Amino acid sequence: ETGVTQSPTHLIKTRGQQVTLRCSSQSGHNTVSWYQQALGQGPQFIFQYYREEENGRGNFPPRFSGLQFPNYSSELNVNALELDDSALYLCASSLDPDTHYNEQFFGPGTRLTVL
Amino acid sequence: GQQLNQSPQSMFIQEGEDVSMNCTSSSIFNTWLWYKQDPGEGPVLLIALYKAGELTSNGRLTAQFGITRKDSFLNISASIPSDVGIYFCAGPRGTDKLIFGTGTRLQVFP
Repeated sequence: ETGVTQSPTHLIKTRGQQVTLRCSSQSGHNTVSWYQQALGQGPQFIFQYYREEENGRGNFPPRFSGLQFPNYSSELNVNALELDDSALYLCASSLDPDTHYNEQFFGPGTRLTVL
Repeated sequence: GQQLNQSPQSMFIQEGEDVSMNCTSSSIFNTWLWYKQDPGEGPVLLIALYKAGELTSNGRLTAQFGITRKDSFLNISASIPSDVGIYFCAGPRGTDKLIFGTGTRLQVFP
């Protein structure tokens, strides 16, 4: 069974640039959630994708967008990068969102630095 | 964004000691989760609690779901060096997002 993988591991960008982060879900999982973790903080929910559509969004501006592909992998796109976007971006996969919570398995994250 | 409050913020203990940490919320949760995060890694689920008052163990770890549904506790017995890391509590909101705590950083000295 393959776990959640993310790429790239590290990334350095400058203010105003755009970035795309990638995530492959754990085998058998069709739901992907993205989180932002600033240094010294707990992860903050960005959004979740299920069946290639957004299925819930946290308090993040529209310049944070995502995609989910038919193979359940996902991308997180951030436009017009700001210094405060510097963080560890975590992807988590899970089974169908249902009437109860399903365990989310996290990847190792992508460390984004905005200069 | 909304976060759960964890205490203590950090702990420095000697190998072999027991550890206690807690997590509180202003609103109720129907599920409580405890995660551990090592440097450069994503959080790993340690224990899940689904019922108020529930006490669940996973090896040397024991967690409790507070009866008010607004708090949870994690205990680690006989700590070892590999227990070093950051411990997060978390609770789900709906079927999509997890709300995470502020974290407790644990350092274990030999």
